[in-house]
Amino acid sequence: GQSLEQPSEVTAVEGAIVQINCTYQTSGFYGLSWYQQHDGGAPTFLSYNGLDGLEETGRFSSFLSRSDSYGYLLLQELQMKDSASYFCAVRDRRSNYQLIWGAGTKLIIKP
Amino acid sequence: DGGITQSPKYLFRKEGQNVTLSCEQNLNHDAMYWYRQDPGQGLRLIYYSQIVNDFQKGDIAEGYSVSREKKESFPLTVTSAQKNPTAFYLCASMETALTNEQFFGPGTRLTVL
Repeated sequence: GQSLEQPSEVTAVEGAIVQINCTYQTSGFYGLSWYQQHDGGAPTFLSYNGLDGLEETGRFSSFLSRSDSYGYLLLQELQMKDSASYFCAVRDRRSNYQLIWGAGTKLIIKP
Repeated sequence: DGGITQSPKYLFRKEGQNVTLSCEQNLNHDAMYWYRQDPGQGLRLIYYSQIVNDFQKGDIAEGYSVSREKKESFPLTVTSAQKNPTAFYLCASMETALTNEQFFGPGTRLTVL
């Protein structure tokens, strides 16, 4: 079957660095995406990893290791506005390339 | 401005009634999606359409129906057969089924009274 695991909640301090991990199980892995969702809002795309390695976009970076079925999202210089839920999502060839979503990680940032 | 609109933002319905949620996009995207999100959960795929006049069931299609008669429109009907319809419904689109970024509408929060 297909499954994704990510921590349900992570707490960090403003200005710090935080890493949100995602492990997945899928037979037809095609790529790993990360989305941010503020309370009551819609998800917004952050990054995509199709190949192993690090992708950097400003304060956010995402990493993928296909051999370990593992990825992470790294947020640097945390700001209060980064308080949100973060979802990893896997694209699976065997599901017609549709996204399979993790349950999300709620990031709490303290001043 | 290009984007996805969903209406209404909040919807209340009585048990036993069908209700249709609207989703319109002016991004000229081929692929469109409907998701359901329950509190503290990830998104679950209801239906998707990769091209006009064609759509596929997702993981939780029972009790729902869709149509894709126009490229820009992908309405979702929640029927009385859906046992627990109270949820947050999100519509999304992608340029094609193989591009990387899904764009989301603001969502419709459906409550069954």
